[in-house]
Parts: sequence; structure tokens; C-alpha cells
Amino acid sequence: TQLLEQSPQFLSIQEGENLTVYCNSSSVFSSLQWYRQEPGEGPVLLVTVVTGGEVKKLKRLTFQFGDARKDSSLHITAAQPGDTGLYLCAGARSNYQLIWGAGTKLIIKP
Amino acid sequence: KAGVTQTPRYLIKTRGQQVTLSCSPISGHRSVSWYQQTPGQGLQFLFEYFSETQRNKGNFPGRFSGRQFSNSRSEMNVSTLELGDSALYLCASSLSPPGPVGLVEQYFGPGTRLTVT
Repeated sequence: TQLLEQSPQFLSIQEGENLTVYCNSSSVFSSLQWYRQEPGEGPVLLVTVVTGGEVKKLKRLTFQFGDARKDSSLHITAAQPGDTGLYLCAGARSNYQLIWGAGTKLIIKP
Repeated sequence: KAGVTQTPRYLIKTRGQQVTLSCSPISGHRSVSWYQQTPGQGLQFLFEYFSETQRNKGNFPGRFSGRQFSNSRSEMNVSTLELGDSALYLCASSLSPPGPVGLVEQYFGPGTRLTVT
């Protein structure tokens, strides 16, 4: 049972387009993290959101934590080929364990 | 500053064999966690070590074990390999002392790709 559902599983768009990926659950999380993983590498932390309704921006990336802390979204504006990668969300349900989504594979074509 | 290193990067084993994977954390990091990553399943938590003590363990069978040495380097062992153990095994280290995992920045290594035939 996947406790964190990520959608879409795969997305291929042209450079310059905007996109949003989602991370949804029926469970409440105390915090949620987004990571990006490139081929042959481990995940790299992009952001941590803690408060319901919180919005964080990282250059062209905007992260939002749902009001009920059950879901999150990542919006990329004017996508670039360098944004290509596997985007993973991970929610904390306890102090010691993260629950991970299966990821969204994003390809940005030049 | 060197990142997290994992050896070997690739490994092919036969069912029934055992395997040992190694992880060297970033210098100064004392917490090491291990994850199994498979397509469609995301990352599954295996265990976490801090100062040579296993602090937490995921829901994996006893065939999966680990340890941490005094220099913070860690190893994980899988005995009696099964086909389903084929995966990318990731190690992550963090600087922070034990605390809410969701607030800790973990630094991942590139992983060891294990294939069981």
C-alpha cells in the first residue's frame, strides 16, 4: 500500500512550459520534504515544509503544503532541461521514519 | 568536502548468496540511514544508525542487517538473497543528532545497484 501517491508518474514537456506535480495522502504528516534525483545519483533535498498552507519558493520552483497537511504540490515555471529528474516527496509520520512516494519522472525537452 | 560514498556501485549476485554493502558518510556525520529503492515503490526505510547503535528499523525481514563502526562508516548485509532483493540501495548521512527525521537534511550517496539472478 502506497501511503503517499505521486502524480503524474511520468511527465514529458517542452522547455519553457509550466508544470505541477502532486503528492497526496489520506494521512496527516508533521512535515514533508521534496527531493530531486538524477540518474546515477542519490536524492537531493529541495525543500522541507512544516506548516499547513505553507508556500516556499526556490527560484522557479514553488512548493505548497496542504492546509490539512495531507498533500503537497510542486509547481515549476518555465521548465528548463536542467529540471529533468525524478521528483520524490517524503512525509514524516513519526519522529524517525519518512514515508516516500514512488516519484514523478520529469523530462524537459529542449 | 567529500560526499557520501558507497561501494560497490554495481553488484550481481545469485539467489541464495549473501552480500555486504558499504557506506562512508560525510566527514563529521554520525547518523547513517539505509534505504531500498525499487521502481514504482519509492524508497523503503531499512534502518538507521547513530554512534554505532541501531536507533530505528524498518519493516524488512531479518535477512537484512547492518552495523556502524566507530568512524561512522556503515555496512549492510543481506543474506540468502532473493530475486526480489534486486534494487538500488541508498545510504544517507546527516549531521544532526537524533531528532525528528522530517526536519533533518539527509545527504544521499549514489547507491549500490544490486541485481540478483
